[in-house]
Amino acid sequence: ETGVTQTPRHLVMGMTNKKSLKCEQHLGHNAMYWYKQSAKKPLELMFVYSLEERVENNSVPSRFSPECPNSSHLFLHLHTLQPEDSALYLCASSQERAGEKLFFGSGTQLSVL
Amino acid sequence: GNSVTQMEGPVTLSEEAFLTINCTYTATGYPSLFWYVQYPGEGLQLLLKATKADDKGSNKGFEATYRKETTSFHLEKGSVQVSDSAVYFCALRGMDSNYQLIWGAGTKLIIKP
Repeated sequence: ETGVTQTPRHLVMGMTNKKSLKCEQHLGHNAMYWYKQSAKKPLELMFVYSLEERVENNSVPSRFSPECPNSSHLFLHLHTLQPEDSALYLCASSQERAGEKLFFGSGTQLSVL
Repeated sequence: GNSVTQMEGPVTLSEEAFLTINCTYTATGYPSLFWYVQYPGEGLQLLLKATKADDKGSNKGFEATYRKETTSFHLEKGSVQVSDSAVYFCALRGMDSNYQLIWGAGTKLIIKP
């Protein structure tokens, strides 16, 4: 298994920039996830895609826009972010519909200036 | 609603010490319970899980027992190593959830040689 790959590893952007995070999984899984990890807080589930269809969107601001063009790729498009959006963004995938065993990428450390 | 509470870290131990990281939960019915580990610079990975009361999950010398009566799933290891230094996350999946894992805030473990 070659796992879940996220790029870039680090990203610094201004509040007016537009950037995208990329995630690719080589595990043949059928569900993909975006999580936000902030220091000393529980992981926050942002979006879930199952079979390329968005199945969960946990009240995430519209300045975050996900895209899942196929079962192996997941993007998170960012625009007009706020400093409080600075965090580690983790992508994960799973085979089971219930998503119990998640496989995570190493994350993108995002800093918004 | 469902929730997970973990002991705050960091937890600092000497090599070969006994480890306990406490985790308690609130949920209706019989959730599935998990421990994930995040090594420095990496994504999370599943360490062990238990799906019904009195089940014991184990992996890499770590153990946790699903205690319904005390709503707990404490992580233990008899003799820790420097390589166990990481952040440990307790999580649950409720009976009515398809994709949502409820996470604790994580406990950072530091093992000194």
